[in-house]
Amino acid sequence: DTAVSQTPKYLVTQMGNDKSIKCEQNLGHDTMYWYKQDSKKFLKIMFSYNNKELIINETVPNRFSPKSPDKAHLNLHINSLELGDSAVYFCASSQALGPPLHFGNGTRLTVT
Amino acid sequence: DQQVKQNSPSLSVQEGRISILNCDYTNSMFDYFLWYKKYPAEGPTFLISISSIKDKNEDGRFTVFLNKSAKHLSLHIVPSQPGDSAVYFCAASVGNYGQNFVFGPGTRLSVLP
Repeated sequence: DTAVSQTPKYLVTQMGNDKSIKCEQNLGHDTMYWYKQDSKKFLKIMFSYNNKELIINETVPNRFSPKSPDKAHLNLHINSLELGDSAVYFCASSQALGPPLHFGNGTRLTVT
Repeated sequence: DQQVKQNSPSLSVQEGRISILNCDYTNSMFDYFLWYKKYPAEGPTFLISISSIKDKNEDGRFTVFLNKSAKHLSLHIVPSQPGDSAVYFCAASVGNYGQNFVFGPGTRLSVLP
């Protein structure tokens, strides 16, 4: 039974398109995150969302927006996709505001 | 500016021997550290943590050592098993807040049978 699941696993799209990645956790955790793993393999936090409070990493372009319909879901919307957005995106969750303990399996986004 | 560094991109170890994975950090304010393991096509899995009030934390075959003066931590795996072959990420934070954690680039460990 998957703790943190994200879909799709692969996403190939053209520049300028708008796309979404979905994330769901069944752990009852309070906090969810989105990370981007860049070409140099660094995992960089994009957003954290806890109890309706959104914390945004200041380096994230405003073309990226998280949407949380409820505590178990945190979806990532990306507008006007650019080549540099190509990366693997990971969703994660944690209890309270603690470190991310559970990650999804990632979504590999390729922008052509 | 890399605040968390893992200078060995890869490491190969014989099964049964000790694996030592190293991590260096530059921010002296970091006081909470974690190690994650990641298999291909999966997300990272939390392995072990340590706070700056300790210099060692042990969990089964995994031990993390922290040298605050050197801004260095290491993960020891004894004995190494083929199933330990994965990428290991070090992460550090000021305070134990998920939002603050900074990750290193990872070290790929290969345990040879």
